[in-house]
Amino acid sequence: DTGVSQDPRHKITKRGQNVTFRCDPISEHNRLYWYRQTLGQGPEFLTYFQNEAQLEKSRLLSDRFSAERPKGSFSTLEIQRTEQGDSAMYLCASSESLPAGDHNEQFFGPGTRLTVL
Amino acid sequence: KNQVEQSPQSLIILEGKNCTLQCNYTVSPFSNLRWYKQDTGRGPVSLTIMTFSENTKSNGRYTATLDADTKQSSLHITASQLSDSASYICVVRRGGYNKLIFGAGTRLAVHP
Repeated sequence: DTGVSQDPRHKITKRGQNVTFRCDPISEHNRLYWYRQTLGQGPEFLTYFQNEAQLEKSRLLSDRFSAERPKGSFSTLEIQRTEQGDSAMYLCASSESLPAGDHNEQFFGPGTRLTVL
Repeated sequence: KNQVEQSPQSLIILEGKNCTLQCNYTVSPFSNLRWYKQDTGRGPVSLTIMTFSENTKSNGRYTATLDADTKQSSLHITASQLSDSASYICVVRRGGYNKLIFGAGTRLAVHP
């Protein structure tokens, strides 16, 4: 399977613990995006990378959240001191780097469902 | 404010029937509009993508329309199947930006 993969698929943790998620994009894609999706809502943008550079972060990304893409391939999203409000599906997507205005389709992974007890 | 609104919020139809989902957007400048299908517990999968100049695009039993003047789009599903049960999300990309603006989705349930 050459699509976007995410690990783990499910994570249950206690409030206050740290969690880390991993995303492996489609290999030839140099853009990688993180989204958060709560029940009954569409995905909300968190951050995106072009290669290893983190180019944009949403205001949703509090100081407890950090994302990295050290070698421009896989990415990790860490949440420190988790809160119950962090419970959501965390989606990763990747795309090629086409000129602005082109289709530049984002391909999504299956997501990591986080439950904070 | 750049927003995407979808209606209805949820819909139940019988297998074999047709349905139409609506999307209104206020995103400017407009680049393109996508419809995604998201099965429960999975990531979204693209169904169609339309640019400003495209009015209609089909993908099998799915037909999307776009009226860029009124900033409205619809997704029509013909001869629905049980496997069509999912959330359908309308997504608009602003011109010159990489971020996508998502609607909340329409949750479709197809019953036998």
